[in-house]
Amino acid sequence: EADIYQTPRYLVIGTGKKITLECSQTMGHDKMYWYQQDPGMELHLIHYSYGVNSTEKGDLSSESTVSRIRTEHFPLTLESARPSHTSQYLCATIGTFGYNEQFFGPGTRLTVL
Amino acid sequence: GENVEQHPSTLSVQEGDSAVIKCTYSDSASNYFPWYKQELGKRPQLIIDIRSNVGEKKDQRIAVTLNKTAKHFSLHITETQPEDSAVYFCAASISSGGSNYKLTFGKGTLLTVNP
Repeated sequence: EADIYQTPRYLVIGTGKKITLECSQTMGHDKMYWYQQDPGMELHLIHYSYGVNSTEKGDLSSESTVSRIRTEHFPLTLESARPSHTSQYLCATIGTFGYNEQFFGPGTRLTVL
Repeated sequence: GENVEQHPSTLSVQEGDSAVIKCTYSDSASNYFPWYKQELGKRPQLIIDIRSNVGEKKDQRIAVTLNKTAKHFSLHITETQPEDSAVYFCAASISSGGSNYKLTFGKGTLLTVNP
């Protein structure tokens, strides 16, 4: 079944650690997005990509980086995690053809101690 | 860039009553307006959307209205049920060449339906 997969689903790490949040999709979509969201709160766009080798920063300044080497994968990396990075991170996709609905992944809940 | 304002931030209704959430947008070029529902601990999911060539769209107990002149759109839920309790997000986007790009979301409305 076509879906968006995020790993890990939960992560607790110490300050200063480097982490990568994985997002992969079998939707066949070209556009991918990363949002940061505290539970039930506003969705903040932090990065997006319209295709392979295309990445842009979003509306919310973030210390994270992304890459898009393959259509299916859009990993997000934090070089040095801090407690202020504690949040939920949602990956999303939009296709090129058809209805253009934005689909969200299940999210990664990150806690930095 | 686009700015989307959403009101109210919280809404509490009795089961069976109607609920209305309103959004305004700033960019007159926006032409696609989806609404997402996010239940506690779950991912946002699309519940209804409307394009700028339509003034109203209904899907069972849910309806969305769009006023392009005033640049606002609203979500209407009738006969509310406890399972409607969630955070609702409106969004606006420019659809170009048959494809959407970047959605701008409102800040969300926490709807609580009391039994």
